Amino acid sequence: EAQVTQNPRYLITVTGKKLTVTCSQNMNHEYMSWYRQDPGLGLRQIYYSMNVEVTDKGDVPEGYKVSRKEKRNFPLILESPSPNQTSLYFCASGKGGRGLGYEQYFGPGTRLTVT
Amino acid sequence: GIQVEQSPPDLILQEGANSTLRCNFSDSVNNLQWFHQNPWGQLINLFYIPSGTKQNGRLSATTVATERYSLLYISSSQTTDSGVYFCAVRTGTASKLTFGTGTRLQVTL
Repeated sequence: EAQVTQNPRYLITVTGKKLTVTCSQNMNHEYMSWYRQDPGLGLRQIYYSMNVEVTDKGDVPEGYKVSRKEKRNFPLILESPSPNQTSLYFCASGKGGRGLGYEQYFGPGTRLTVT
Repeated sequence: GIQVEQSPPDLILQEGANSTLRCNFSDSVNNLQWFHQNPWGQLINLFYIPSGTKQNGRLSATTVATERYSLLYISSSQTTDSGVYFCAVRTGTASKLTFGTGTRLQVTL
């Protein structure tokens, strides 16, 4: 089954404790992206990747890191989480290059709470 | 940047009723998608529809790209249709989807 998976689905952690949210897709997509969703602010892009070893900042990259060592995986790293990173996080993937319209597929979401 | 407006913001229906949700966007797009966010927060792909009309069961969608709007039709609504419906667009070489503000749908018995 074609899908985007994220782990963990739910996480409660404390300020400053490094964490990684994994994202994996099995559709051989070049493009992958991370979004966060907050009440009143909608979905905002954090980082994206157009292919292996190619990553770039989205609208709200502060406090996050990503890597793209393999095509299928795009982990989101919070080196020192803070309470303002409490949010619902989505990973997305899609095929096609810049300038082309392509359907994006979203993972099930990771609900993160930082206390 | 591109503006995406959805209407109505809230909608309450009785089970079995039909509804039309609208998405207006301010620039030409090369991608338009409709999503359903269920009460558990999951974003479910409904349609990839940068232009034309598609149908999937009780749902159908139409995008008139030249007039910069898209419509999502829900027929014979069910309680499981409850949630928030988003349209999202991509324009030019943008790296992301820009989401609308959503329509919150509640279907009652």
